[in-house]
Order: sequence, then C-alpha cells, then structure tokens
Amino acid sequence: DAGVIQSPRHEVTEMGQEVTLRCKPISGHDYLFWYRQTMMRGLELLIYFNNNVPIDDSGMPEDRFSAKMPNASFSTLKIQPSEPRDSAVYFCATKKTGLAVSYNEQFFGPGTRLTVL
Amino acid sequence: KNEVEQSPQNLTAQEGEFITINCSYSVGISALHWLQQHPGGGIVSLFMLSSGKKKHGRLIATINIQEKHSSLHITASHPRDSAVYICAVGGTGGGADGLTFGKGTHLIIQP
Repeated sequence: DAGVIQSPRHEVTEMGQEVTLRCKPISGHDYLFWYRQTMMRGLELLIYFNNNVPIDDSGMPEDRFSAKMPNASFSTLKIQPSEPRDSAVYFCATKKTGLAVSYNEQFFGPGTRLTVL
Repeated sequence: KNEVEQSPQNLTAQEGEFITINCSYSVGISALHWLQQHPGGGIVSLFMLSSGKKKHGRLIATINIQEKHSSLHITASHPRDSAVYICAVGGTGGGADGLTFGKGTHLIIQP
C-alpha cells in the first residue's frame, strides 16, 4: 500500500488566495483526520471524519476553513481566503476501526507545507 | 480537554547513552501514542499502548494509567535516533478519536 497520500507537498500562496489541500487515505481506512502543526502550538486536530461523515470540527479555527470528504478515497481541506497566520504544515492521518486497541494506530501522510505571504 | 505535558523539551546526549522522555496527561485515557518526527517532517507511529510496557528494538515504552504518566526509553542511543518525539493521547473512540499532542521532545544524539 502506498500509505496516506497528500498533495501538494509544498504550497506558497499570497494572502487572500484560496488554498486547497488534498488527502487520499489508505484503502479500507474509515477514519480520516486533518491536523495542523505550527512552531507555536505544535500539532492540533482540526477535524475528523468517520465513514466520510464529519464527526468533530471543533478544532477548525475559523469559517475560512472548510473540509469535505466526498467519498472514501478523497478528502480536501480548503482555506478561503488564506492569511499569513495559516502558514503551517498540514497533516492528514487515517486509521481503521476495530474493537482491538491496536486498531487505533493512526497513519500519517507526509504533510503539506503551506506558506502564505 | 486533555492536557499533555512532555519533558524535557530539548535533550542532547552522547551516542550510547540511555535516554528517557516523559509524558503526563490530565484526564484518564484508554491509549497513549508515541510518535517520531524526523527532520524531514514525516511522522511515524512508534507505539500505542494502554497498559504496561512495549518494546521494539532499542525502544521501550511504559505507561502507568493510575498515575497518568508514560515514558519512552531509548537504549544504546545512536545519532540516527535524533528526531522529535511526540506523545499523544486519545484516538480510542467514543467521540474522542482525534489525538491531543504534547509539544514534543527534540532529541539530538551526538557521535
């Protein structure tokens, strides 16, 4: 399996522009998480989906952020309009549900490094 | 919300030394994760544990649920162990599937 795939790996944009980050989960994984990592705040949960349904979006910082999961193979995180303080590394992670605790391991994508000028 | 504290924040040691990184959390959990992030930025899951102790190669992770504390040990440390080690809790369902992370421990092993 190719693992969690994220694109683009790097994105540089200007303030006010729309940014779309993409994630393809590991096949068969029914949970998908979006995390953000900054120097100041470390890693934070933004939103997560179970079976394509958003379960908890309390970590989404503002209405400028939105996330969708139209099918089991694809998710997007959109920022519109982008601001310099959105500069961070955005990680997508997925896991497969199950009764055993071991099923709770999350597999991380390589991340998208976003720079908003 | 669970508060996750790690110590130390930074650690520099000589090759071969025994390393210990500590993690404490404020609210009872079912599982704790140790993650490794290399300078390139990728995050890898090292351990997920709910009780006792786990060992993988030179890495050992322990957890004390009653004391809300976990430790990650590295025996015979090597420069390739240099990375950021992150403790995280949660991810075990009941509406709390997302992880809450510590700030990480930046480990440098010098030859």
